Amino acid sequence: NAGVTQTPKFRVLKTGQSMTLLCAQDMNHEYMYWYRQDPGMGLRLIHYSVGEGTTAKGEVPDGYNVSRLKKQNFLLGLESAAPSQTSVYFCASSYLGTPYEQYFGPGTRLTVT
Amino acid sequence: GNSVTQMEGPVTLSEEAFLTINCTYTATGYPSLFWYVQYPGEGLQLLLKATKADDKGSNKGFEATYRKETTSFHLEKGSVQVSDSAVYFCALSSISGGGADGLTFGKGTHLIIQP
Repeated sequence: NAGVTQTPKFRVLKTGQSMTLLCAQDMNHEYMYWYRQDPGMGLRLIHYSVGEGTTAKGEVPDGYNVSRLKKQNFLLGLESAAPSQTSVYFCASSYLGTPYEQYFGPGTRLTVT
Repeated sequence: GNSVTQMEGPVTLSEEAFLTINCTYTATGYPSLFWYVQYPGEGLQLLLKATKADDKGSNKGFEATYRKETTSFHLEKGSVQVSDSAVYFCALSSISGGGADGLTFGKGTHLIIQP
């Protein structure tokens, strides 16, 4: 099993550009999450999904959109990137019975200039 | 809202030293508590958990006890190794969601173990 994979690993964007981050998991997990990690801030939840076709806002959702059309994939979109979105983005997934045991991907480092 | 406070790092120790990383929380009711670890260049992974007051979570020589009277969940290890060098995050899950609506993380404590 590959676990949780994220694409791409690194990306540099100019202000105003758009992009989509892809998260895929092969563990048949129901729940999926997107977090951002910033120095001195820990991890903050952007959006999450409790099942295919459903999404919900987390702590810092502004400027991001998400979609979960297939159970194994969770996409994070930036429609118009801003320097404040420079961060490391982590995707995670968890099983229905133990939602707190989240399995994390390796992260995507995004720089917006 | 929920919040988690951890001691600031980095924490630098010699191999075989005793480790304590402090964690306190603010939450409604009695949430479940966790320690996650992030090794260099990797995502986070669950280290241990405690789901009710006075529970002790343990794994890989690390321990933490859920203390509701002090709203704390301090991480301890009796003898650290160089391989324990990582960033450690204290986290909690809401009572209603149990983690399905995400976890609340502390800012992380960078631990450096010198040989």
